[in-house]
Amino acid sequence: AQRVTQPEKLLSVFKGAPVELKCNYSYSGSPELFWYVQYSRQRLQLLLRHISRESIKGFTADLNKGETSFHLKKPFAQEEDSAMYYCALRTGNQFYFGTGTSLTVIP
Amino acid sequence: GAGVSQSPRYKVTKRGQDVALRCDPISGHVSLYWYRQALGQGPEFLTYFNYEAQQDKSGLPNDRFSAERPEGSISTLTIQRTEQRDSAMYRCASSLNRGNTEAFFGQGTRLTVV
Repeated sequence: AQRVTQPEKLLSVFKGAPVELKCNYSYSGSPELFWYVQYSRQRLQLLLRHISRESIKGFTADLNKGETSFHLKKPFAQEEDSAMYYCALRTGNQFYFGTGTSLTVIP
Repeated sequence: GAGVSQSPRYKVTKRGQDVALRCDPISGHVSLYWYRQALGQGPEFLTYFNYEAQQDKSGLPNDRFSAERPEGSISTLTIQRTEQRDSAMYRCASSLNRGNTEAFFGQGTRLTVV
């Protein structure tokens, strides 16, 4: 069963424009959600987690249980934000990943 | 070590050969995961260890794939009689397995079967 859905494989925005990367999940329990990022030639790394309610590099993500969504947002995109972004759901001791969204920020 | 270490970084093998991929997790991390990532896809779960116990191997695609973590630290993913469709990035991750902890990933091993 598809637990994490990222509908956009590719997303391009201009520098300074707002960006939103969509993530929807399916899970009957209490979800633990994460956003991971992979910059060019680097390893997959955690960007943020919903439990922390933090803003990292200007990104935020709010868990919406009614819509089962955990969209990643940034008000003003920067060129260095260009990367691959993966939404992940942790259930018990397993992490399930979406197929990823490749974000390109156009200068 | 400072992070999750995987070796080799790149492996090219002939079809039919066996390969062993190694993962050295962060010291003290209880949980260890193996993922496979095909081009254009997200990481796909293969198997998971808690200490030395293989808790879940439901993601292993067939019996040519096996994994072990005999002392609860380093893990080896073995693929026997490799096929071209096994070509992918194989990623290892580890976590503390405590509360809402994240998974830390290694650089991955890029396997190419020719």
